[in-house]
Amino acid sequence: GAVVSQHPSRVICKSGTSVKIECRSLDFQATTMFWYRQFPKQSLMLMATSNEGSKATYEQGVEKDKFLINHASLTLSTLTVTSAHPEDSSFYICSAKNRDPVNTEAFFGQGTRLTVV
Amino acid sequence: AQKVTQAQTEISVVEKEDVTLDCVYETRDTTYYLFWYKQPPSGELVFLIRRNSFDEQNEISGRYSWNFQKSTSSFNFTITASQVVDSAVYFCALRNYGQNFVFGPGTRLSVLP
Repeated sequence: GAVVSQHPSRVICKSGTSVKIECRSLDFQATTMFWYRQFPKQSLMLMATSNEGSKATYEQGVEKDKFLINHASLTLSTLTVTSAHPEDSSFYICSAKNRDPVNTEAFFGQGTRLTVV
Repeated sequence: AQKVTQAQTEISVVEKEDVTLDCVYETRDTTYYLFWYKQPPSGELVFLIRRNSFDEQNEISGRYSWNFQKSTSSFNFTITASQVVDSAVYFCALRNYGQNFVFGPGTRLSVLP
């Protein structure tokens, strides 16, 4: 199956710093990537939808200035958590959708566990 | 609006017992996909199955089986002869054509030796 690589898998950062998470589709082109967040013992919730070459669409309650999304190419989307705080500690996972109009399968990255101390 | 409900928050069984995880979904679309994912403690999502809305055939894969009932909007997952390695959180998810996943709240399965 298609491969989506997410990096880093784990990161610990100090409060007030920024953290960048990368999501790459390795063997297909992804016009759309989705970013999800999962707090401990909860489900995965969509944060934003990232379309190549255009601004991301954020779900209600997600601060676009805090969670910066850049989708500059068909194989890479980045999520930057700016001025991270302990309440941002969570599991972040991306999903990339194949640009093929016939095969619109979506595949998940391995996820990034962010801990803000 | 799309919604996925997994009524069982946690289930504990003893090894070798059969266990069924329930999933009920809501969508207005006629074309959609249903999924089950396993999430071990490490966090990654392990794909188990995908079903499209036009295929109501039940499926069996080893100890796993799935029952898709469109009439009741359910997509239940059964593990036969459970094993300790089956312990994980299981998510049922709905995805409309070309769109994002909508996940259920998850069911935490503990299989005791």
